Amino acid sequence: QQPVQSPQAVILREGEDAVINCSSSKALYSVHWYRQKHGEAPVFLMILLKGGEQKGHDKISASFNEKKQQSSLYLTASQLSYSGTYFCGTSGSSNTGKLIFGQGTTLQVKP
Amino acid sequence: EAGVVQSPRYKIIEKKQPVAFWCNPISGHNTLYWYRQNLGQGPELLIRYENEEAVDDSQLPKDRFSAERLKGVDSTLKIQPAELGDSAVYLCASSLGLAEARGEQYFGPGTRLTVT
Repeated sequence: QQPVQSPQAVILREGEDAVINCSSSKALYSVHWYRQKHGEAPVFLMILLKGGEQKGHDKISASFNEKKQQSSLYLTASQLSYSGTYFCGTSGSSNTGKLIFGQGTTLQVKP
Repeated sequence: EAGVVQSPRYKIIEKKQPVAFWCNPISGHNTLYWYRQNLGQGPELLIRYENEEAVDDSQLPKDRFSAERLKGVDSTLKIQPAELGDSAVYLCASSLGLAEARGEQYFGPGTRLTVT
């Protein structure tokens, strides 16, 4: 079951914050976040494993609520370099779970 | 450290023609993935290899797609014959071999296939 991301697109000014959500109808073991710039390869951001943890990476952090089967990616004080399409990938099993990607959220940061 | 290498970067072919994509994963990465990414969509897994063994090919259209990973390093994905609906970006990714759910994947730049 493909996870659903929201919003589909967001436009920000530099310095503004954004939240991208990823929801699944099935129980999740892990959530992976990637960013892809136009014409380039997806780049790994972070993994969140079952346990409701929160992770941070510079000004980008994420949370994972396994009870609600959802994850949120937080981008704080957006920079121009944050522009791109963000994908979440979810897995329902620790060892045999296939990673299924959402449809993506396009983020555009303007000066 | 070199990343995942893919070639060619772009390919334009007529329908019913064959096409092949090549991937060289990051050195030491046992697990290799082939994904297809349609415009405006997330990557969709076609096949996953653990060393030489294809451990998940449930999404691979086997009537026209084939893949191999000889010697557990490089891999080739082939389509024969290509159809118009095969136009997409074909991404190769590799990882260290942790369970897929727990390991980060490193993607190559992809091959953009256009079938006319």
